[in-house]
Amino acid sequence: DTGVSQDPRHKITKRGQNVTFRCDPISEHNRLYWYRQTLGQGPEFLTYFQNEAQLEKSRLLSDRFSAERPKGSFSTLEIQRTEQGDSAMYLCASNPLPREKLFFGSGTQLSVL
Amino acid sequence: SQQGEEDPQALSIQEGENATMNCSYKTSINNLQWYRQNSGRGLVHLILIRSNEREKHSGRLRVTLDTSKKSSSLLITASRAADTASYFCATDANNNDMRFGAGTRLTVKP
Repeated sequence: DTGVSQDPRHKITKRGQNVTFRCDPISEHNRLYWYRQTLGQGPEFLTYFQNEAQLEKSRLLSDRFSAERPKGSFSTLEIQRTEQGDSAMYLCASNPLPREKLFFGSGTQLSVL
Repeated sequence: SQQGEEDPQALSIQEGENATMNCSYKTSINNLQWYRQNSGRGLVHLILIRSNEREKHSGRLRVTLDTSKKSSSLLITASRAADTASYFCATDANNNDMRFGAGTRLTVKP
């Protein structure tokens, strides 16, 4: 068990560019979650998957955001046409059952210039 | 939307003192969880308390839950400088995922 890993750790991009983040959950966990966190705030829910099915998306997730988990293992979160307001820490978490303890990755810190 | 609200927003204490943080939430829950986050890192799960439990202990941590008041508290006893972090409560009000509050930033001075 290597824990939840996220890549990259940091991403700096120019406004208008597309970015993609990857999350590898703990292998036996069939639930995977994406959260966004800005400085001084708690994590805000974005979306979650059970296996490869995306079961819920927050209203925070505009049409510029898309998430996939094609084989029910790793997940990607893509942001198209980035805006400065997208600057945040993007956190991935996983767990084997709903409402149980979440295991978080270290996050991807996105800076949009 | 965020479900829990922590109080206070920030807390500064001396090493050895106890730290108490509170969490209030709005709707019924199945469980409430507390997490810790060191600056710039991911969150680490501390403790989970179910709606039919009133108190739970883990090492120097003590969590209480009052479902009638929709509130929980986290007590850290005999605090250490290494306890300096942000602490978040999370609830499963949405039934499928955990929603977090804004957190309490704890500073423990050596």
